[in-house]
This record gives sequence, structure tokens and C-alpha cells, in this order.
Amino acid sequence: DGGITQSPKYLFRKEGQNVTLSCEQNLNHDAMYWYRQDPGQGLRLIYYSQIVNDFQKGDIAEGYSVSREKKESFPLTVTSAQKNPTAFYLCASSTLRHLGGEQPQHFGDGTRLSIL
Amino acid sequence: AQTVTQSQPEMSVQEAETVTLSCTYDTSESDYYLFWYKQPPSRQMILVIRQEAYKQQNATENRFSVNFQKAAKSFSLKISDSQLGDAAMYFCAYRSAGTSGSRLTFGEGTQLTVNP
Repeated sequence: DGGITQSPKYLFRKEGQNVTLSCEQNLNHDAMYWYRQDPGQGLRLIYYSQIVNDFQKGDIAEGYSVSREKKESFPLTVTSAQKNPTAFYLCASSTLRHLGGEQPQHFGDGTRLSIL
Repeated sequence: AQTVTQSQPEMSVQEAETVTLSCTYDTSESDYYLFWYKQPPSRQMILVIRQEAYKQQNATENRFSVNFQKAAKSFSLKISDSQLGDAAMYFCAYRSAGTSGSRLTFGEGTQLTVNP
């Protein structure tokens, strides 16, 4: 079955530590996204990538970094510069509209990050 | 920038009855897509229904239908014959149809409770 796999499901970060959240997809989607969800709030876009080796900042990119070395993978690093990292993080992927057809974003099951 | 507003933080409905969730959005674009996503307690994001702005006909998916009012920038979701499994957080989302990317802008969500 095709889908998006996020790992780990739960992650704890110590002060001053960088942590990396994994996102892998086997849907052959070109575009991948990272969202942050805080309690009682909607999803906010952190970073997105439309093609390998290229990515753009979303609305709340400060304190985060990403890479896109492979089409299937889009890891998110929460750096020590992110002072309030406790949240639920969702990864998504989709085809690109100009490549034919409108497809909605597919989401992974998320990673819950907490501060120790 | 586009914004999406869900003015009902919480709604409740009796099992088998009908409920309508509200969503308004602000955009200067004429071509775009609108979505409703469901997030149950498992936190998985599930696509419920989508609407293309250039289509006048309201989208329908089984018990779920929308009332799309383009001039009023309104996109409400109607759930008929509500079931216990419909209980979830519901998010309205906007996506530009331009080639600048496929990013979604989400509302803050409506928590739906279904009473037996």
C-alpha cells in the first residue's frame, strides 16, 4: 500500500538539542510539506518542497530546517533556536497541479514532540 | 495572503440528525480549491470533500455535502444522518490553483461531538 510514514510517533527534546523528524512517502509525489499543529489550532505550514534539492519557507519556518535529497524523503530538523517546539507535526505530500490533475494532499500519522 | 475562518470552535449534533459547519475565506484569486478535512482522536488527517471554485455545482460525497457560495466566500459542510464515527475535529482548507505551489491554508477547526 502506498502512503506516508512519519517516525518516530513520539519524540522528546532536551534543552539546546536538535532533533530530526522523519517523513517518507512511496506515492511518487513531487511535493512534500511539513505542518505544525498546536492544541486547539489549525495546521500551519513550516516548509514545503516541490522538487528534489529545492524547498521554500512556509509561514513559521524560524527555528526549523529541512532537506530534500531524495524524492521520497523530506526530514524536518527542529533546532535549538525553536524555543517552543512542543507540538504535533504532520507531514504531507501531493502531486503538482501543472503535472496534470488536481490531487489533494495525503497526510502521515504525525509526530508528537515534547520538551523534557 | 489568503485566510480561512471557522467561527464555530465546537458543535454538537444528535445521532441521525443533520449538522452544518461554517467556513469563510478571504482571497483575491478567482481560481482555487477548497477542502474539508476530518481529524479524529487518532490525529490522522482524512479528506472529506473538495470543491473546485470554477464549478458552480456543490460537491457531494455520500452523507457529506457542501454549500459553496463564491461571491460570499463561504464554504459550509453539511453532514446528514450523523453517525458516532463522525465525531472529530473538522478543518476547512484553501489552496490556490496557481503554479506557485500546492500549499494549504487551514482554518482553526470545529470540534464536532455526536451524541447518541
